[in-house]
Amino acid sequence: AQTVTQSQPEMSVQEAETVTLSCTYDTSESDYYLFWYKQPPSRQMILVIRQEAYKQQNATENRFSVNFQKAAKSFSLKISDSQLGDAAMYFCAYSDLTGNQFYFGTGTSLTVIP
Amino acid sequence: EPEVTQTPSHQVTQMGQEVILRCVPISNHLYFYWYRQILGQKVEFLVSFYNNEISEKSEIFDDQFSVERPDGSNFTLKIRSTKLEDSAMYFCASTPDRAPNQPQHFGDGTRLSIL
Repeated sequence: AQTVTQSQPEMSVQEAETVTLSCTYDTSESDYYLFWYKQPPSRQMILVIRQEAYKQQNATENRFSVNFQKAAKSFSLKISDSQLGDAAMYFCAYSDLTGNQFYFGTGTSLTVIP
Repeated sequence: EPEVTQTPSHQVTQMGQEVILRCVPISNHLYFYWYRQILGQKVEFLVSFYNNEISEKSEIFDDQFSVERPDGSNFTLKIRSTKLEDSAMYFCASTPDRAPNQPQHFGDGTRLSIL
């Protein structure tokens, strides 16, 4: 079965600085999707960024970018110029091509220090 | 922007009782999902639903659980004979087309507390 591991339960970053959240996964598939979701306190999960495994180019969305290392099965999220509104729980997730099941990591709680 | 809405936000139920969690997906979405998140643990997939049928379900989704789309707008999760370990946040999600081609839109969740 696919597993997603986030080894950092908590992280903190100074406002305007850069932080990287780690994620590793395990799969026997060659093609799949990877996601980072953000969950602010008591709010819904919001998609931050998505990476398709067959694409070698790392996905970017404004201040958010990923470092996708397919061979190492690593998918880290970099947040540049951190803002107070970035404080949230961040979940890494995996989906196969059918999209019928998503597998989530345990999450990393990010604190942004003013 | 349209949102997935879930009611109630918090449900407290006695152990052994039945509970129905309600979700209103985004109106033009066709695929629906339920997830649960036990406090301090990861979000776990329960079930996906399309065209009035279950598409996929996880090991967690046993005979205690059922889903239904009783009308054109609601998507419900019923838990029969609730147990203490059913206490969790339950999230509904929807997509216009099959994920992962389309990102899942999540609701705010229902916190279920079993006493």
